[in-house]
Amino acid sequence: AQSVTQLGSHVSVSEGALVLLRCNYSSSVPPYLFWYVQYPNQGLQLLLKYTTGATLVKGINGFEAEFKKSETSFHLTKPSAHMSDAAEYFCAVSASGSQGNLIFGKGTKLSVKP
Amino acid sequence: GAVVSQHPSRVICKSGTSVKIECRSLDFQATTMFWYRQFPKKSLMLMATSNEGSKATYEQGVEKDKFLINHASLTLSTLTVTSAHPEDSSFYICSAARLGTYQETQYFGPGTRLLVL
Repeated sequence: AQSVTQLGSHVSVSEGALVLLRCNYSSSVPPYLFWYVQYPNQGLQLLLKYTTGATLVKGINGFEAEFKKSETSFHLTKPSAHMSDAAEYFCAVSASGSQGNLIFGKGTKLSVKP
Repeated sequence: GAVVSQHPSRVICKSGTSVKIECRSLDFQATTMFWYRQFPKKSLMLMATSNEGSKATYEQGVEKDKFLINHASLTLSTLTVTSAHPEDSSFYICSAARLGTYQETQYFGPGTRLLVL
């Protein structure tokens, strides 16, 4: 079975500061890992995903995440926050190569202060 | 790209009526579509997995007779909330997995906000 834990339901940073959103997962098989962003009253947009290969994954809008198997983590980072980054971010896991479903974390709301 | 649309984006209905929500993959064929429900300030909860031409697979605790899912073609799945009640008010989001690939990437629709009075 898979599960996802996002530490911190709300993160607030200043514009230009580093963004770090934490995600830890558990999976009995090699996982596929995802980060999605959701703006108010909208659906989810894929930021980035890890399937196999390089553990540092770059996504859209300057975000990146690193898969660390030893730490069962997939934290999302961005060097410099923009006001437009304010949104809800969801980490998700699925069992690799299966017909499985996405298991979502509870989400982290990112606020960006001017 | 991989675009998924939902219609309507917002619906208000009276208690006891039924509401149909459409999910379409606009530029690809999807053998599998997923329906999620999102409560305010909560994560997405998978309701059911819909495969084209076959019965949907519902998650535990989801009433299949209340949430009717039809996946009639490779580009269209519908969710019908039957005899809606105020507790069914929620944000419903669908996603579609592209045909021919592993289901590791789901493309999400913009969601439908349902308010039952």
